[in-house]
Order: sequence, then C-alpha cells, then structure tokens
Amino acid sequence: AQSVTQLDSQVPVFEEAPVELRCNYSSSVSVYLFWYVQYPNQGLQLLLKYLSGSTLVESINGFEAEFNKSQTSFHLRKPSVHISDTAEYFCAVSGTGGFKTIFGAGTRLFVKA
Amino acid sequence: EAQVTQNPRYLITVTGKKLTVTCSQNMNHEYMSWYRQDPGLGLRQIYYSMNVEVTDKGDVPEGYKVSRKEKRNFPLILESPSPNQTSLYFCASKPWGDYGYTFGSGTRLTVV
Repeated sequence: AQSVTQLDSQVPVFEEAPVELRCNYSSSVSVYLFWYVQYPNQGLQLLLKYLSGSTLVESINGFEAEFNKSQTSFHLRKPSVHISDTAEYFCAVSGTGGFKTIFGAGTRLFVKA
Repeated sequence: EAQVTQNPRYLITVTGKKLTVTCSQNMNHEYMSWYRQDPGLGLRQIYYSMNVEVTDKGDVPEGYKVSRKEKRNFPLILESPSPNQTSLYFCASKPWGDYGYTFGSGTRLTVV
C-alpha cells in the first residue's frame, strides 16, 4: 500500500521569495511521483512527474521537484514565486504499474504582494 | 482540444433522488477514474476503469455506481444520494502506463 503526506496545509509567502512545498510518501514498491496544481474553481493540472532517471524534474513555469529515495520525499520548490502561483498543490504517488494513484491532502500556497 | 468533460458543473439535489454525473474524454484513454475532493482529505478515489466493461472499486465506493460501456464515457451514478455525499467530484483519464491524469473541471454536488 502507498500513502502520501503533505507536511504543510497552508504556506503563505511574499512575491519573489523562494518556496518549498513538502511531500513524503511511503510505498513497498517502486513508485512514480507527481505534483498537480489546482487553481480556484478549476480541475487539477499535472505540474511535473518523476518516472525514472534524473532525480530532479522541472516544470515549464519554473517549479522543480527532487526525488529523494532514501528520505522518501518529493519536495516541490520554486526560487521566486509570483502572485499567479497562488493555488492548491497536490503531491501524488502511484506504483510503477500506474493503475492506482494516491493523492496527498494538498497544500494551499498563498503568494502575497 | 484534448479534454475531459463533466456535466453538470453544479448540482443541488434532495436526499434519495437518483442522479448521474456524466464524464467523457476525447483522448482515447484506457484508464478512467472518479475522485471526490473534501477539505483536508485531498482526493479520494471512488471507482476506476481500466477499459471498456472493466471497473473496480477505489477507496470510497459506498453509495456510488459506475459503468463503462464505451471507451470515452464513464458516468458516476448515485442511486440514493445522502448528505455525506456532498462534495466536489472529479473525473480523470490517462493512457496506460506512467502518464499523469487529465482532469475534468469538476462537479460540485450538494445533497440536502
């Protein structure tokens, strides 16, 4: 069985400051890891994913996440946030069979001017 | 445009009145899934389907039914809705393997 823990329910941060959203997972099998973003009144959108290979993965809008197998973590970072990054972010894990995806409870990122 | 379409977006109903939330995808994805989103609980899987006529329970299937008669459609049926099924529902699809989900825009259901 797999589980996902997002360590912060809310993260307030000032514009242009760096941010880290923390995610830990547990699994007895090899995993794929994902971050999704949900803007207000919208569905979730895939932000980035780790499948294999390089442990550092990046999105097109400046976010990155690093897979750390020894610490079973997949934290999301951005060096300088914008107001438009205000959203809820979900970490998710699936086994490498890809059939079942478990989501964390979400982290609300508030970017303040 | 590649998308997952859910209808309706908003629904208020009364306890016990059967309802169906429709979901359709135009990407020829094999795998489809229904999730409910509740504050502090994230997304929990209700049912999923690996292909036509193949469905299985997720983590919170009680009170829900699904069917997959066509590859593109995966409706969610509440035979006798109750207030504890008030939630935000998402349909999602993906191809086999390691790709992330494409989500619909959600259906906000209120059962009074």
